[in-house]
Amino acid sequence: EAAVTQSPRNKVAVTGGKVTLSCNQTNNHNNMYWYRQDTGHGLRLIHYSYGAGSTEKGDIPDGYKASRPSQENFSLILELATPSQTSVYFCASGDALGRAEQFFGPGTRLTVL
Amino acid sequence: QQQVRQSPQSLTVWEGETAILNCSYEDSTFDYFPWYWQFPRESPALLIAIRPVSNKKEDGRFTIFFNKREKKLSLHITDSQPGDSATYFCAASQGGRALIFGTGTTVSVSP
Repeated sequence: EAAVTQSPRNKVAVTGGKVTLSCNQTNNHNNMYWYRQDTGHGLRLIHYSYGAGSTEKGDIPDGYKASRPSQENFSLILELATPSQTSVYFCASGDALGRAEQFFGPGTRLTVL
Repeated sequence: QQQVRQSPQSLTVWEGETAILNCSYEDSTFDYFPWYWQFPRESPALLIAIRPVSNKKEDGRFTIFFNKREKKLSLHITDSQPGDSATYFCAASQGGRALIFGTGTTVSVSP
């Protein structure tokens, strides 16, 4: 059974709308991450978390918020979605920040029209 | 400024050949270098990783060569197989901080 799951898997949103991407992990990992993947840019870190209640800004946090209400759940929130946020979003979990294997979810394909 | 750079952007090899993927980095304090691979329509997954205490790490047909002085590393895939066709990402981190990924090298292995 998949240890990192994401929902929804596909999402079409309108410009200016609010979008929430959800991630759940059963690895009991302290650390969780949100990345976006775009052609030519690889994986870019948006937000990450050390544990429940903590969120940290990654390399490209503008236009995104994050929420970690529990060890298992980590959400990415787009308050006012823009077409430039059309991308594939991956959630990942890991034991120790940066030095342990990160396990990725299946991804969410977001299209903002 | 891209802190982790990869080249080439894409690479095609024949089955049985050795594919060589290159990676360079800016920050000399980086102390952990994993390579992830990603198959089409799938998620990235850890392939192999190295720390600067070693200059070589081998796992089957996959070998990382690390040059700390030049801040370069390379991934060699020997006896390439069609199933190795994927995008390969070099990444780096420092002091337990979050990983920084390169832009990836797409490898195609022709039978």
